[in-house]
Amino acid sequence: DADVTQTPRNRITKTGKRIMLECSQTKGHDRMYWYRQDPGLGLRLIYYSFDVKDINKGEISDGYSVSRQAQAKFSLSLESAIPNQTALYFCATSDLGTSGNTDTQYFGPGTRLTVL
Amino acid sequence: QKEVEQDPGPLSVPEGAIVSLNCTYSNSAFQYFMWYRQYSRKGPELLMYTYSSGNKEDGRFTAQVDKSSKYISLFIRDSQPSDSATYLCAMIRSNDYKLSFGAGTTVTVRA
Repeated sequence: DADVTQTPRNRITKTGKRIMLECSQTKGHDRMYWYRQDPGLGLRLIYYSFDVKDINKGEISDGYSVSRQAQAKFSLSLESAIPNQTALYFCATSDLGTSGNTDTQYFGPGTRLTVL
Repeated sequence: QKEVEQDPGPLSVPEGAIVSLNCTYSNSAFQYFMWYRQYSRKGPELLMYTYSSGNKEDGRFTAQVDKSSKYISLFIRDSQPSDSATYLCAMIRSNDYKLSFGAGTTVTVRA
């Protein structure tokens, strides 16, 4: 069973539509993240949350919003989708390691979003 | 300039060859280093983790860190077709624990 799940796995939408991508985790981790992956650019952080009441912008948050509904759930919204938001989106979770200063991230399977 | 530089390849090698991957970084605050493996249509999965200069081995995989040169490497010995994937380096800054990824190198091991 997957520890980090994402829905939907694939989505095709039109410019201007509102889209929500959902992430759930059973790892019991406090920290959750949303990334997008584009060819040649690697993974770029959109938003992250260290607990239910904590939301932080990443390096490319414009055009996106998030909601941390519970420790286990973190959703990403595109309020008005545009074609350059076509990408692979990943949710990840992490927790501080036993040494207290490490932060290994565990990724979901990804959502392939196409905006026409 | 990106904080973490990684040659995207692609890299194609015959089965049994040694695969050598590397990343360079510019910020000396990076103190924790990881390699992730990503198969097609899957999320990245942690392959190796290290925080000190030197070598760390795990089976056919060796991670190497040279903090003085700001350079990390991953070696795959006796490569197998099942090693065909994209390999991403990642590193964490010690001051704010921000995680940064390289662009990823796509590797194909030919049978």
